[in-house]
Amino acid sequence: SQTIHQWPATLVQPVGSPLSLECTVEGTSNPNLYWYRQAAGRGLQLLFYSVGIGQISSEVPQNLSASRPQDRQFILSSKKLLLSDSGFYLCAWSVLGSYNEQFFGPGTRLTVL
Amino acid sequence: KNQVEQSPQSLIILEGKNCTLQCNYTVSPFSNLRWYKQDTGRGPVSLTIMTFSENTKSNGRYTATLDADTKQSSLHITASQLSDSASYICVVSEGNEKLTFGTGTRLTIIP
Repeated sequence: SQTIHQWPATLVQPVGSPLSLECTVEGTSNPNLYWYRQAAGRGLQLLFYSVGIGQISSEVPQNLSASRPQDRQFILSSKKLLLSDSGFYLCAWSVLGSYNEQFFGPGTRLTVL
Repeated sequence: KNQVEQSPQSLIILEGKNCTLQCNYTVSPFSNLRWYKQDTGRGPVSLTIMTFSENTKSNGRYTATLDADTKQSSLHITASQLSDSASYICVVSEGNEKLTFGTGTRLTIIP
């Protein structure tokens, strides 16, 4: 069976510090991978998605970046965090077909102070 | 602009009662509509997925309906339980990698 992991679960960082959030998927090959941000009282916002190693599509301009160094690993990064980067970050995966159903990880709660 | 609107924003009901959550969308083209359940501080979990040709789908005590003509969907929860307390999110897909998410209905079940 497939599982998705996110690390860390919670994170408190000062403004201007770097960020690295990791997402790994087990039990599937060549998944599509996604990074979302969920702000309080708002819907999920797609930040990045990837259909393969090294292939990253960005949905919104921001100071975040994403990388996919391995087939089942997706990393969200920032060189300098802003207060507005606070939120709940969710990683998801899907495979072609099956209505492109997306399966979400447990999330990372990021607080920037 | 593609949008998904959900109502009510929040709902409180007694344990054992039924409830219905609403979703209206303007996403085009339309491929499928999903309902997710999201417990506080957790990732969303899929409850149902419906395509254009499906007008109802059940998953245990959850029953989703879809009217593709009026672009409306509902999620009916029967005999609510305390564990049903969560946010319920309506999501519409164009058939590609991009989904349009509603802001969710926050459901609280009280004993």
